[in-house]
Amino acid sequence: DAGVTQSPTHLIKTRGQQVTLRCSPISGHKSVSWYQQVLGQGPQFIFQYYEKEERGRGNFPDRFSARQFPNYSSELNVNALLLGDSALYLCASEGRLAAYNEQFFGPGTRLTVL
Amino acid sequence: QKEVEQDPGPLSVPEGAIVSLNCTYSNSAFQYFMWYRQYSRKGPELLMYTYSSGNKEDGRFTAQVDKSSKYISLFIRDSQPSDSATYLCAMSGAGGGNKLTFGTGTQLKVEL
Repeated sequence: DAGVTQSPTHLIKTRGQQVTLRCSPISGHKSVSWYQQVLGQGPQFIFQYYEKEERGRGNFPDRFSARQFPNYSSELNVNALLLGDSALYLCASEGRLAAYNEQFFGPGTRLTVL
Repeated sequence: QKEVEQDPGPLSVPEGAIVSLNCTYSNSAFQYFMWYRQYSRKGPELLMYTYSSGNKEDGRFTAQVDKSSKYISLFIRDSQPSDSATYLCAMSGAGGGNKLTFGTGTQLKVEL
């Protein structure tokens, strides 16, 4: 079975530009979460979507937005990019593991803002 | 103060050593405690999860949670070079899923 897939793998943008990152969850998973991982830090929660509805939002500015499509894939958009947005952006889809809802992570999209 | 604190290391040990990784936390609402392993330039993969306090063993790995002290640990026995990675502790509230709160990660290197 295919795991969580993300595209693109790498991306280079300049300050002020906009970027869209894409994620396809594991087949059958209806929930997708986005995390930002700055180099040397743990992932920070950005959004969670379930059945196309936003279920949670982390402490990120309004420049960050996301949506989930009927096929449960998701996009993360970041506007007016800043140098500090350079990070690995991780997508996770959620599936049931016994009594626990495990989040399975994709390989991430590495965004560099110049 | 961060909700989850983790010593970033790096930690270097000889092959076969017992490794102890630890996290402390401040949020009493956390009920699920996870350990993820992340290889360079890869996404995190779940090693183990524990619900509430107690111990859990899986092969060479043992996870311990002490909710009274707000302290969790991961022990790796007979460490191997293939264990070299960054280990992230993560926590969440009821339901297990939803928002995960991660530590900063501890970089581990197991040397031959």
